[in-house]
Amino acid sequence: EAGVVQSPRYKIIEKKQPVAFWCNPISGHNTLYWYLQNLGQGPELLIRYENEEAVDDSQLPKDRFSAERLKGVDSTLKIQPAELGDSAVYLCASSFPTGGGADTQYFGPGTRLTVL
Amino acid sequence: QKEVEQNSGPLSVPEGAIASLNCTYSDRGSQSFFWYRQYSGKSPELIMSIYSNGDKEDGRFTAQLNKASQYVSLLIRDSQPSDSATYLCAVGPGGSNYKLTFGKGTLLTVNP
Repeated sequence: EAGVVQSPRYKIIEKKQPVAFWCNPISGHNTLYWYLQNLGQGPELLIRYENEEAVDDSQLPKDRFSAERLKGVDSTLKIQPAELGDSAVYLCASSFPTGGGADTQYFGPGTRLTVL
Repeated sequence: QKEVEQNSGPLSVPEGAIASLNCTYSDRGSQSFFWYRQYSGKSPELIMSIYSNGDKEDGRFTAQLNKASQYVSLLIRDSQPSDSATYLCAVGPGGSNYKLTFGKGTLLTVNP
């Protein structure tokens, strides 16, 4: 079974430029998560989707970040404009709801963003 | 603010020893607990999940949960150099809320 796929793996941009990350979850997983992980920190949730609906985007900085999951499968996370502090690893994860409590989340390889 | 605390380490153990990783959490209503392993430059990989008080064993790994003390631990028996990684503790609430709160992780080094 293929895992969570993310692209690109690495991205270097100058500040104020836009950037987009793509994620394809594990087949059949209707819950998709975007996390941000800074060096030496645990992942922090940015947004969670149930199918195509964003059910938790309370941690997403909406002034510059946006996300979409139009057909309930692939998802794109965008930053416009990027700032120096956005340099981090952006992780996508997916899970299949088994009912009751937090389900096991499977992570993709991540996109390492460097903003110069 | 829900918090998950872990010693950042590094925790250094000799090969073949037992490594003990600890995690405390602030939300008494938490119901789901996970241990992830993360190699340097890689993404987190699930090691164990535990939902009930007590011990859960899977091969060389044992997760221990004590909800009264708001404490969860991971024991790694017969530690191998390949176990050297950062171990992340993640805690989730009950019900239909799937949001996990991660600790900062503990760096484990197993010395040959």
